[in-house]
Amino acid sequence: GAVVSQHPSRVICKSGTSVKIECRSLDFQATTMFWYRQFPKQSLMLMATSNEGSKATYEQGVEKDKFLINHASLTLSTLTVTSAHPEDSSFYICSASLLSGDSNQPQHFGDGTRLSIL
Amino acid sequence: AQRVTQPEKLLSVFKGAPVELKCNYSYSGSPELFWYVQYSRQRLQLLLRHISRESIKGFTADLNKGETSFHLKKPFAQEEDSAMYYCALRGTGRRALTFGSGTRLQVQP
Repeated sequence: GAVVSQHPSRVICKSGTSVKIECRSLDFQATTMFWYRQFPKQSLMLMATSNEGSKATYEQGVEKDKFLINHASLTLSTLTVTSAHPEDSSFYICSASLLSGDSNQPQHFGDGTRLSIL
Repeated sequence: AQRVTQPEKLLSVFKGAPVELKCNYSYSGSPELFWYVQYSRQRLQLLLRHISRESIKGFTADLNKGETSFHLKKPFAQEEDSAMYYCALRGTGRRALTFGSGTRLQVQP
């Protein structure tokens, strides 16, 4: 149980285009999902916390207009990289916690999306 | 601010040898500490967390608040333990995780 599906797994596109990445919790509901970014040989850096039915909470230094997050349901969050440029190339990973009053629920991670902007 | 430090990028041991993956943290409150593992071509998955005080796949980790450490240990390494290991911290009232830079464990036959 507790599977998080992330799609697409890899995307290559031209500079200036927008790219949407989906994160789905397949067998559980998640009021909160998280979006991380990972550069080669570096750690996962939290970009934003996605809250179902409300605005996402962005970490300092992350551009809200650049990385649009929508959490329309308890099982789906999307990250849209708008007007992507080569410096946006990275590995993006989402995670989700089970809907529960227990704040100690662990996070379950998707497989990640490798984004390459030419 | 919270920070997680994993000083070793790579740890190489022989099968049967003891393993200790180091993790130190910086946090002013009472954190929750986790170890996540990523096997080759697989997603990141939870290995263990300090509040459970359990042993998973022979691994244990004890939270040492005095030394602000949460080192991961296993007495006898196995080849299938080869993977990337991340230490992570969750602060009070937060649900997001702060990750260390990761340590790659290589267990040689």
